[in-house]
Amino acid sequence: DGGITQSPKYLFRKEGQNVTLSCEQNLNHDAMYWYRQDPGQGLRLIYYSQIVNDFQKGDIAEGYSVSREKKESFPLTVTSAQKNPTAFYLCASSIGLETVYGYTFGSGTRLTVV
Amino acid sequence: AQKITQTQPGMFVQEKEAVTLDCTYDTSDPSYGLFWYKQPSSGEMIFLIYQGSYDQQNATEGRYSLNFQKARKSANLVISASQLGDSAMYFCAMRDRGGNNRKLIWGLGTSLAVNP
Repeated sequence: DGGITQSPKYLFRKEGQNVTLSCEQNLNHDAMYWYRQDPGQGLRLIYYSQIVNDFQKGDIAEGYSVSREKKESFPLTVTSAQKNPTAFYLCASSIGLETVYGYTFGSGTRLTVV
Repeated sequence: AQKITQTQPGMFVQEKEAVTLDCTYDTSDPSYGLFWYKQPSSGEMIFLIYQGSYDQQNATEGRYSLNFQKARKSANLVISASQLGDSAMYFCAMRDRGGNNRKLIWGLGTSLAVNP
């Protein structure tokens, strides 16, 4: 079955550490996105990518980095520069940047700073 | 500025009854799209329904329908014959071409609880 796989489901980070969240899709979608979700704040866009080797900053890119070396993969690194990384992170993909079919989301990674 | 407003933080409905979740939006672009997503406690966001600004008819998908009132800038989700599995967070989102057409603008969500 096609879909988006995010791993791990739960992740704990120590202060000052970088951590990488995995996102893989087998839907043959061109566009991929990373969102952050905090309680009571809805979803906020971190980064998005339209094609391989290209990505753009979203609204809250500071302290995060991404890569898009393969169409199927769009990993997100939460760096030590991100001062408040505890949140729920959702990866999504779509056929293109403009689609009436919406996004397909992964099941998310819950990151906690310990 | 583009904005989505969901004014109901929480809603309750009896099983088998219909419920309407409110969503109002603000945009100056004549071309836009409106989405509703469901987020159960597992966390995954599930696409429910889409309405384009030029669509002549209200969108329907099974038990979900969208009450689209363009002049009022509202796009309310109607769930008919509620089921226990409908208990979840529901998010309204908008895509428009004003400024940046590469993202969705999200509301804060409505938590729906279906009572047996």
